[in-house]
Amino acid sequence: EDKVVQSPLSLVVHEGDTVTLNCSYEVTNFRSLLWYKQEKKAPTFLFMLTSSGIEKKSGRLSSILDKKELFSILNITATQTGDSAVYLCAVEAESRGSTLGRLYFGRGTQLTVWP
Amino acid sequence: DARVTQTPRHKVTEMGQEVTMRCQPILGHNTVFWYRQTMMQGLELLAYFRNRAPLDDSGMPKDRFSAEMPDATLATLKIQPSEPRDSAVYFCASGLRGLGSTDTQYFGPGTRLTVL
Repeated sequence: EDKVVQSPLSLVVHEGDTVTLNCSYEVTNFRSLLWYKQEKKAPTFLFMLTSSGIEKKSGRLSSILDKKELFSILNITATQTGDSAVYLCAVEAESRGSTLGRLYFGRGTQLTVWP
Repeated sequence: DARVTQTPRHKVTEMGQEVTMRCQPILGHNTVFWYRQTMMQGLELLAYFRNRAPLDDSGMPKDRFSAEMPDATLATLKIQPSEPRDSAVYFCASGLRGLGSTDTQYFGPGTRLTVL
């Protein structure tokens, strides 16, 4: 069965720390991996990764994919209290009997940043 | 400031009743997604449309759920009859192109459904 596993489930750090969030997956016919940030509302898109070894960067956030080892990491440097949120990882895989993709979500990592 | 809108924001209903949730995608976006989020299951993709045509709804329980796009500015998700296990937050998202080729999905604020 296809699945996406995120770790840790929760993380508490102080402002200025650097954090690394992990996402491992087991899916058939991988297409892409996506990261989202969810605060007390709807998820907001962060990154989409399709190729191994190519880092995507947006400000203090960066992410990279390893398709050989089937995982991705999301790094946040110099964390701020506004980074407190649930970070969701999702993997798109081919859907059986269809050329279209299915999206599988992990349970998320709850990040809390203290001032 | 373009955004996805969803109505209602909250809905409390009794088991067996029909529930209709509505979504207005961002103007110009041609792909619409419906998600459901619960504490137990996390976030699940139910269905998505491109250019108003349903592309994939394999994540949706077919016996009671139906999703449609009567026009480019409106997507609906219906549950008939509703059951307590349908209680969740239902998100709509819109984007350009589709899964695997879009790099941004914009989420609506969600409809929090409670079925008693």
